[in-house]
Amino acid sequence: ETGVTQTPRHLVMGMTNKKSLKCEQHLGHNAMYWYKQSAKKPLELMFVYNFKEQTENNSVPSRFSPECPNSSHLFLHLHTLQPEDSALYLCASSWIGGSSYNEQFFGPGTRLTVL
Amino acid sequence: GQQVMQIPQYQHVQEGEDFTTYCNSSTTLSNIQWYKQRPGGHPVFLIQLVKSGEVKKQKRLTFQFGEAKKNSSLHITATQTTDVGTYFCAGGASMNRDDKIIFGKGTRLHILP
Repeated sequence: ETGVTQTPRHLVMGMTNKKSLKCEQHLGHNAMYWYKQSAKKPLELMFVYNFKEQTENNSVPSRFSPECPNSSHLFLHLHTLQPEDSALYLCASSWIGGSSYNEQFFGPGTRLTVL
Repeated sequence: GQQVMQIPQYQHVQEGEDFTTYCNSSTTLSNIQWYKQRPGGHPVFLIQLVKSGEVKKQKRLTFQFGEAKKNSSLHITATQTTDVGTYFCAGGASMNRDDKIIFGKGTRLHILP
């Protein structure tokens, strides 16, 4: 599937670096999500943006900073990360209409390693 | 808060055997979705169930939504090596006028040849 793209696919960074993950959806959806996937927590929701507004922040540390400039683009800005932040970061999008969430389409993910 | 529990966490089956994973919610759900993630891949949507007691089939996969809309199951008949992966359920619910979708922790299926 190429509806949701993520860059970069792999990222290695030191604890003092600043980097950004990018996600783009080409499906006309109005909601976008960031998930963290690791061995300990298989699929952990981090942030939700609905119509560009952040509607959910699941107690994510401030070293992760999301940005949603429009309904097609989503960024995750990273700074002063810890080794335990190493994981697969998945972006997803969906259409939210009325009072229901429809199926989510996931990107391929960014494999992040923090040294 | 609302929880979606999924069991078992891991399952090894011989090729050709059946497989079932179960999903249970602490609260009534408005809908439930199922996803499959192949090793090294990303979750891919399989199906959504909305009605109480609903049963849907996709070839060898059978999905059920409980009468109380608090549990669901995915059953695979005569597993094949292509069924390998992690199966996630995701429950949709309304909480405090907000709609949420919560993923279970998944069931990782291994097929023994």
